[in-house]
Amino acid sequence: EAGVAQSPRYKIIEKRQSVAFWCNPISGHATLYWYQQILGQGPKLLIQFQNNGVVDDSQLPKDRFSAERLKGVDSTLKIQPAKLEDSAVYLCASSSYERGGIQAFFGQGTRLTVV
Amino acid sequence: DAKTTQPNSMESNEEEPVHLPCNHSTISGTDYIHWYRQLPSQGPEYVIHGLTSNVNNRMASLAIAEDRKSSTLILHRATLRDAAVYYCILETGTYKYIFGTGTRLKVLA
Repeated sequence: EAGVAQSPRYKIIEKRQSVAFWCNPISGHATLYWYQQILGQGPKLLIQFQNNGVVDDSQLPKDRFSAERLKGVDSTLKIQPAKLEDSAVYLCASSSYERGGIQAFFGQGTRLTVV
Repeated sequence: DAKTTQPNSMESNEEEPVHLPCNHSTISGTDYIHWYRQLPSQGPEYVIHGLTSNVNNRMASLAIAEDRKSSTLILHRATLRDAAVYYCILETGTYKYIFGTGTRLKVLA
């Protein structure tokens, strides 16, 4: 089966600019996650969607970050305006949410560099 | 959220077994224990998971302590391709995956 697709793979922007990342989860997966992974650290959950509803966005800096998942399929994560500390890899993952103990599938991530 | 604690790094010789420990003393009764690994410039990749009983698959074995406050990932014969960061993760009741800091495994030829 096709994996989780993310684009772009790399992005370099200046601080205060805006940027958007796109994620296409595995077909049929109801749950979608966005993680932020700063160099040398483990991924940190930013937001979790169940179909097109938000389950958890407690770690999302809502003054500058936004995410949507229209029609319960693709998702976009936006940063506006970007700060230097937003430099990180942004990972998208999906799972089927049939029951507990289900594995999540991760995309390759988008590496963002803010200069 | 429940947290996991892992050693920062470990080394192993090629073709020898590796035991990667993880502490999760605040685990809840319904939390699953997952292990993922991450190769350079890749997203995390599923390795194994369990709830209470020990688990085996083609990649590894997972040994879970009776009180569930710790677990050990066992790679039976490490290869150079197993060099990665290994994450012990708790999957909470809301299907949320909470990552720790991971263990960087170095495999020596």
